Amino acid sequence: DAGITQSPRHKVTETGTPVTLRCHQTENHRYMYWYRQDPGHGLRLIHYSYGVKDTDKGEVSDGYSVSRSKTEDFLLTLESATSSQTSVYFCAISGGDTPSKNIQYFGAGTRLSVL
Amino acid sequence: GQNIDQPTEMTATEGAIVQINCTYQTSGFNGLFWYQQHAGEAPTFLSYNVLDGLEEKGRFSSFLSRSKGYSYLLLKELQMKDSASYLCAVTDSNYQLIWGAGTKLIIKP
Repeated sequence: DAGITQSPRHKVTETGTPVTLRCHQTENHRYMYWYRQDPGHGLRLIHYSYGVKDTDKGEVSDGYSVSRSKTEDFLLTLESATSSQTSVYFCAISGGDTPSKNIQYFGAGTRLSVL
Repeated sequence: GQNIDQPTEMTATEGAIVQINCTYQTSGFNGLFWYQQHAGEAPTFLSYNVLDGLEEKGRFSSFLSRSKGYSYLLLKELQMKDSASYLCAVTDSNYQLIWGAGTKLIIKP
């Protein structure tokens, strides 16, 4: 199994509070991703990173920010959580641009509830 | 726009064969992936296709036709543990993965 750890695994928070989710990898993979998964939707990309301090937006980036100060860590921050951000959040990693290296491996997920 | 379609839910019998279809319309194509996701767990990689044809891996096979924008995942000798959602995803011209909503497969004894 790919060495990917997400923390926390579960979190309940209140509307308007900031929340940070952490993804840690031990594979030294270049690419890291944050997705959210909601019933009836496919995985939706929030942000991704292609190197230290190199990040870009995905299709549902509003209300989220990310940082990657080290190869192994990718943080997702909800600046002011809203109920619409209640979801399961997955971190994924991949090694590169070629199809075989673009296989993404996922962390166990964080279940976030915003009340 | 980019779109991936797969059936929402399918039911099959233990020991039988099931085919899960996926059609896609994306800006560019750099590979198609199938993932398995058990309830409450993370997606796990099953297979990928870059060229047309069939890729076989044990009880699972995946087929691709790029000209038709079509793929299927074939599961043989179904087991109860195969009850899961199966996600189809396509890598577009920017090497971003576009995901389908998944097909929930229910296996009955």
